[in-house]
Amino acid sequence: NAGVTQTPKFRVLKTGQSMTLLCAQDMNHEYMYWYRQDPGMGLRLIHYSVGEGTTAKGEVPDGYNVSRLKKQNFLLGLESAAPSQTSVYFCASSLLAEQYNEQFFGPGTRLTVL
Amino acid sequence: AQSVTQPDIHITVSEGASLELRCNYSYGATPYLFWYVQSPGQGLQLLLKYFSGDTLVQGIKGFEAEFKRSQSSFNLRKPSVHWSDAAEYFCAVGAYNTDKLIFGTGTRLQVFP
Repeated sequence: NAGVTQTPKFRVLKTGQSMTLLCAQDMNHEYMYWYRQDPGMGLRLIHYSVGEGTTAKGEVPDGYNVSRLKKQNFLLGLESAAPSQTSVYFCASSLLAEQYNEQFFGPGTRLTVL
Repeated sequence: AQSVTQPDIHITVSEGASLELRCNYSYGATPYLFWYVQSPGQGLQLLLKYFSGDTLVQGIKGFEAEFKRSQSSFNLRKPSVHWSDAAEYFCAVGAYNTDKLIFGTGTRLQVFP
């Protein structure tokens, strides 16, 4: 049982390049989330999904797209990377989206945009 | 709208000393409160959570937290800190009938031998 895994762990992009971050969970969780973590700002929700085939915007969705084609996978895409998207990205999942449900986090992806 | 404030950005303690990390929330009804810990280079791990009932909640690694409605606080405590507790700690609130958590900005804990 690997929990939540993220690929890749590190990536350096040039401005304007595109990339996709992959999140996978093997806990059969319905809900999945993408956060970004920046110094002094905590975690901010980018997008989330309440189930296979569904996605919704979070607090800071601009510049990102997501897809949830399979229940176990949640992809985060950057179509045209900008230096402001330099951050650490975390994926999380939870069995349900009810407010008292624990979210399980992946180890993170450190992205640098030059 | 609900919010979470962690007033201390950075705290330094000696190993064996007691610890209290502060968390204040803003929400009209009873919130659902969480403390997560993030070790360097790692993801977040749940330490404890409060939904209802006993206002003193026990968590993993010897941590506890107390919900005080009158002070809108949910402070994290540990009676004796170990060097391995050095990490960043996040308080979060999940409001009723939403599917999101709101995180505080975190408190970085440094432990000196």
